[in-house]
Amino acid sequence: GQQLNQSPQSMFIQEGEDVSMNCTSSSIFNTWLWYKQDPGEGPVLLIALYKAGELTSNGRLTAQFGITRKDSFLNISASIPSDVGIYFCAGQRSGTYKYIFGTGTRLKVLA
Amino acid sequence: ETGVTQSPTHLIKTRGQQVTLRCSSQSGHNTVSWYQQALGQGPQFIFQYYREEENGRGNFPPRFSGLQFPNYSSELNVNALELDDSALYLCASSLAPSGRTHEQYFGPGTRLTVT
Repeated sequence: GQQLNQSPQSMFIQEGEDVSMNCTSSSIFNTWLWYKQDPGEGPVLLIALYKAGELTSNGRLTAQFGITRKDSFLNISASIPSDVGIYFCAGQRSGTYKYIFGTGTRLKVLA
Repeated sequence: ETGVTQSPTHLIKTRGQQVTLRCSSQSGHNTVSWYQQALGQGPQFIFQYYREEENGRGNFPPRFSGLQFPNYSSELNVNALELDDSALYLCASSLAPSGRTHEQYFGPGTRLTVT
């Protein structure tokens, strides 16, 4: 099935470091959602973006809706061990109801 | 406020059998979407229900069907199970099918294993 490209695929970082990941598409989206999923659980919504160029924060997390509307970015500042998990982006095109999910970025934090 | 719940948590079925998975939406939400998540992949959209009708469908065959009830809970039915149907099935509810109220909140999922 169709999936968005997320980069990096996985990353190891030291506790306290900042993390950046992105999600790209060949299509234009009008909504971007970012989720975190822990093993064996459902995705948890972190941030929602609705407008090109929009920058939204949720605690140590900041996400941006790319100005081309074909990409989105998620940053995590001062990472902590509980940030471990898989981060997914999800995009919705105008006039459609479904979300297309990314391939995921697996984050591992070294204490 | 009650979150999205799904049942059962785990299920093992044999190829060719039929299965029904259940989802209760978050209180106040009227739209339910179902996703299939294979191991190591992102969720794939199966279909969405709004006002008890199918509102959109992904690339899944007709043996995947669903229902939404007046209380907005939903069922996913899969007939003639195949080995490739083994996956985590996720239900997500939202306040409306589109727009700024379309933030989707997921349940914990049902892990289906087909042998």
